[in-house]
Amino acid sequence: DVKVTQSSRYLVKRTGEKVFLECVQDMDHENMFWYRQDPGLGLRLIYFSYDVKMKEKGDIPEGYSVSREKKERFSLILESASTNQTSMYLCASSPGRFQETQYFGPGTRLLVL
Amino acid sequence: SQQGEEDPQALSIQEGENATMNCSYKTSINNLQWYRQNSGRGLVHLILIRSNEREKHSGRLRVTLDTSKKSSSLLITASRAADTASYFCVPTSGTYKYIFGTGTRLKVLA
Repeated sequence: DVKVTQSSRYLVKRTGEKVFLECVQDMDHENMFWYRQDPGLGLRLIYFSYDVKMKEKGDIPEGYSVSREKKERFSLILESASTNQTSMYLCASSPGRFQETQYFGPGTRLLVL
Repeated sequence: SQQGEEDPQALSIQEGENATMNCSYKTSINNLQWYRQNSGRGLVHLILIRSNEREKHSGRLRVTLDTSKKSSSLLITASRAADTASYFCVPTSGTYKYIFGTGTRLKVLA
């Protein structure tokens, strides 16, 4: 079974802190994604990566950056956390072609105080 | 990429009943996927139906696709309390970017 793991289930940070969310997949997938999920807004794509060191902005990249130095690991970075970044963050991966199943991690619930 | 619109937004049924939820989309697709999200297992892929397929089954799940009407439906037969979840449809067409809507919230009452 594909396994996508995220470094933390719950995280509490202060405004202005730099926050790292880590995601690791174990199935050699080419593509990895970061979403945030907020009530009434569905899932919104922040960034995705289709290869090591390659990344593309999603719908809401402002205030975020990403890093993919190794194929299995995709990191989301909040450069200076703000209260409006309090959310559920979901990481996903997919094999390598378009229109393939995405496999999701359990999510990280981030609270920024 | 485009977003699927799920309908209804919320649905409550008794255990053992069937649950039907619908999805509409706007432009042509290559395939359409259904996902489920509950608090226990997170967001999980259920089924993928390709644009040249009309119906697909997986256990108690039945998905139909009508490309002429740009719509899909997900039927869960003999529902169980464990089916309580949000269900999302994701139409896809040649892009890495999938868009998830707000889903249908299904509550199965014991």
